[in-house]
Amino acid sequence: EAGVAQSPRYKIIEKRQSVAFWCNPISGHATLYWYQQILGQGPKLLIQFQNNGVVDDSQLPKDRFSAERLKGVDSTLKIQPAKLEDSAVYLCASSPGTSGRSYEQYFGPGTRLTVT
Amino acid sequence: TQLLEQSPQFLSIQEGENLTVYCNSSSVFSSLQWYRQEPGEGPVLLVTVVTGGEVKKLKRLTFQFGDARKDSSLHITAAQPGDTGLYLCAGAGNTGGFKTIFGAGTRLFVKA
Repeated sequence: EAGVAQSPRYKIIEKRQSVAFWCNPISGHATLYWYQQILGQGPKLLIQFQNNGVVDDSQLPKDRFSAERLKGVDSTLKIQPAKLEDSAVYLCASSPGTSGRSYEQYFGPGTRLTVT
Repeated sequence: TQLLEQSPQFLSIQEGENLTVYCNSSSVFSSLQWYRQEPGEGPVLLVTVVTGGEVKKLKRLTFQFGDARKDSSLHITAAQPGDTGLYLCAGAGNTGGFKTIFGAGTRLFVKA
């Protein structure tokens, strides 16, 4: 079974530029998550999708971050414009659903973003 | 605000030693997961516990879910250098929503 795919793996941009990340979850997984992980910290949830609907985006800085999951499969996360403090690893995860063991999340390798 | 507090934040031990790391919250969770993350990779699921008082073993790793489903512990017996990594706990399915929250993690370094 293929795992969660993310691209690119690394990205370096200047502040005020735009960047987009892509995620392809495990086939059949209804729930998709985007996390921001700053060095030395645990993952912080940015947005959670159930199929193509948003379940939780309370910690997404909506003035600069946006995410979509068209057709309930792939997802993109965009930052526009980027700030220095956005430097982090952006992790995508998927899970079968949102009950019982369906909470178990499977993570992609992440995209390491450096904003200079 | 729901929080999952992990302790210790950092642990450096010699190969062969035993250790326990903790995950505590004031919130009740319907399930709790433990993950291990190595540098440059995403977290990898180790175990899920769902029943209060539940104990699960994975080779040298023993996981326990508190009776009240608010806390958990991970005990490693005879640690090996391959156990080095960031151990994360995540609580899911608390009252009122589908949210999963992660602790900040315990960074373990096992010296040969």
